[in-house]
Amino acid sequence: NAGVMQNPRHLVRRRGQEARLRCSPMKGHSHVYWYRQLPEEGLKFMVYLQKENIIDESGMPKERFSAEFPKEGPSILRIQQVVRGDSAAYFCASSGNEQYFGPGTRLTVT
Amino acid sequence: GENVEQHPSTLSVQEGDSAVIKCTYSDSASNYFPWYKQELGKGPQLIIDIRSNVGEKKDQRIAVTLNKTAKHFSLHITETQPEDSAVYFCAARPTDSWGKLQFGAGTQVVVTP
Repeated sequence: NAGVMQNPRHLVRRRGQEARLRCSPMKGHSHVYWYRQLPEEGLKFMVYLQKENIIDESGMPKERFSAEFPKEGPSILRIQQVVRGDSAAYFCASSGNEQYFGPGTRLTVT
Repeated sequence: GENVEQHPSTLSVQEGDSAVIKCTYSDSASNYFPWYKQELGKGPQLIIDIRSNVGEKKDQRIAVTLNKTAKHFSLHITETQPEDSAVYFCAARPTDSWGKLQFGAGTQVVVTP
């Protein structure tokens, strides 16, 4: 019974590059959520997607960030022109009635 | 929107003692309250949850209580063990069945042998 999968687990990008984070939900789950966790802080909601639809993007920064969950394949969180402040752990969760989290992608911007 | 406050931010307990973490929420429409445990370098792990039609739920050494009138809920860990050391997060979700979780800031629990 595979859980939520995220890759890569660690990602290093230089300022100005693009970061692509991938999330495969648990089998049978069609709801995906992305959260960001800054060092020593809690989890902040970014975006909620169903297949081919963005349901709630109220936590997404207006610029440089985008997310998709295509009909086939994983959900992708894209960060364009990364800056040092984007360094954080990014977690994906999928649900069912409960939300189950993946292991996260730790993004470091140098 | 929902706002969740969590206390204390750090909690140190002796092995075998009990630990209690408290959360308050602001949106009276919230009806689902999960608790997550996060170990260093890992993703949050759902350990227990409670819905608004229940006042208390227990799973072995872990229990959660909910007071809807006062809008607060608590996590109780009995007979703590060193492996209980982690950061614990409470969360709340509004009435809709799907949707984002609003998290508390977390409690660092340290269980000393």
